[in-house]
Amino acid sequence: GAGVSQSPSNKVTEKGKDVELRCDPISGHTALYWYRQSLGQGLEFLIYFQGNSAPDKSGLPSDRFSAERTGGSVSTLTIQRTQQEDSAVYLCASSLVERGAEQYFGPGTRLTVT
Amino acid sequence: KQEVTQIPAALSVPEGENLVLNCSFTDSAIYNLQWFRQDPGKGLTSLLLIQSSQREQTSGRLNASLDKSSGRSTLYIAASQPGDSATYLCAVKDNQGGKLIFGQGTELSVKP
Repeated sequence: GAGVSQSPSNKVTEKGKDVELRCDPISGHTALYWYRQSLGQGLEFLIYFQGNSAPDKSGLPSDRFSAERTGGSVSTLTIQRTQQEDSAVYLCASSLVERGAEQYFGPGTRLTVT
Repeated sequence: KQEVTQIPAALSVPEGENLVLNCSFTDSAIYNLQWFRQDPGKGLTSLLLIQSSQREQTSGRLNASLDKSSGRSTLYIAASQPGDSATYLCAVKDNQGGKLIFGQGTELSVKP
């Protein structure tokens, strides 16, 4: 079956612009996660959605970052007023509801802020 | 705060060799541990998932072990092949939520 998909695969934007990154989880997966992978910081957690519960936003680096999950499926990560340090690969993952469930990752969106 | 460390950072071996990648974590209160493979410019591929109650998991030439009390996991790769060349990441899910906490990875190169 289809895996996690993300779009766009690459995004180049000018400093100060807003960007939206999209994630389509595996069908039936109620948990959705966003992570960021950058050269200096490795792979770090951003935000986690689980069903209808309030999302865990503890990893968002600043209030310029926000995310939504509509209809319990597709998620959008928005970065406002982008900065050069936001350049990274943004990875989305999904899993079944069980806490012990395996997380499956998408191919990522490579964001470059010029 | 949970911290995950992977040693070595890079490893180069000749084809056919058996090898071990190491992962350690500072807080033993984990829910599970997952090993991933990442090819250059690609996303993460899940290799093995070990629940906290388990000691090991096997898939083909891969075997992962977990010693929760000592905060260690190993990934054993038997009869390595050039196609195994990639970065291997371990990640733990702690008892407080759903997020994974990742190590920095081991970059493996298998030479023909």
